[in-house]
Amino acid sequence: GAVVSQHPSWVICKSGTSVKIECRSLDFQATTMFWYRQFPKQSLMLMATSNEGSKATYEQGVEKDKFLINHASLTLSTLTVTSAHPEDSSFYICSARDIKGADYGYTFGSGTRLTVV
Amino acid sequence: KQEVTQIPAALSVPEGENLVLNCSFTDSAIYNLQWFRQDPGKGLTSLLLIQSSQREQTSGRLNASLDKSSGRSTLYIAASQPGDSATYLCAVPRTGANNLFFGTGTRLTVIP
Repeated sequence: GAVVSQHPSWVICKSGTSVKIECRSLDFQATTMFWYRQFPKQSLMLMATSNEGSKATYEQGVEKDKFLINHASLTLSTLTVTSAHPEDSSFYICSARDIKGADYGYTFGSGTRLTVV
Repeated sequence: KQEVTQIPAALSVPEGENLVLNCSFTDSAIYNLQWFRQDPGKGLTSLLLIQSSQREQTSGRLNASLDKSSGRSTLYIAASQPGDSATYLCAVPRTGANNLFFGTGTRLTVIP
């Protein structure tokens, strides 16, 4: 089945530094990938839609300069949390859907636990 | 606007019981519905994908049904096991977009 690999699974960084999270579709291509954020015991909140070869689309209230998204190929999207602060600590999850079309479901990565100290 | 609701919010059952999780959605113009499970601190694992033309899908002890006209889907878990303990989410595609509306989730605990 479709697999999405997300790295790292956890990261601890100092306040003010930047952190990059990678999301790779291993056995399929995806023109679009999605980045979510999840707070404890809450549902997933969509942050942005990553589009291969073009700019990402951000949800209302999400700072595009803080959460930089790059989707350079059909199998890789990256999320960079710039100048991280403790309030950015959260669980980040990416997902992707096969380029082949709507009949294919969404596949999610295993998530990244970010802790900013 | 699409709203996806799951009932119950939490469920605790003894091992071996059969159980049903419910998902309802307000906009029936969907082309598929997907069930996921999420373990604590983990990502989402896809369980079943039902296309709008299908009425049900089965995978092992799991069976999901879809009734578009009534805006409902159910996930049936047979002979529950402690390893089934997780949060179960249903999701439908957003109209005109590529991402998903998630249900509110059901937290399942199977007691050994």
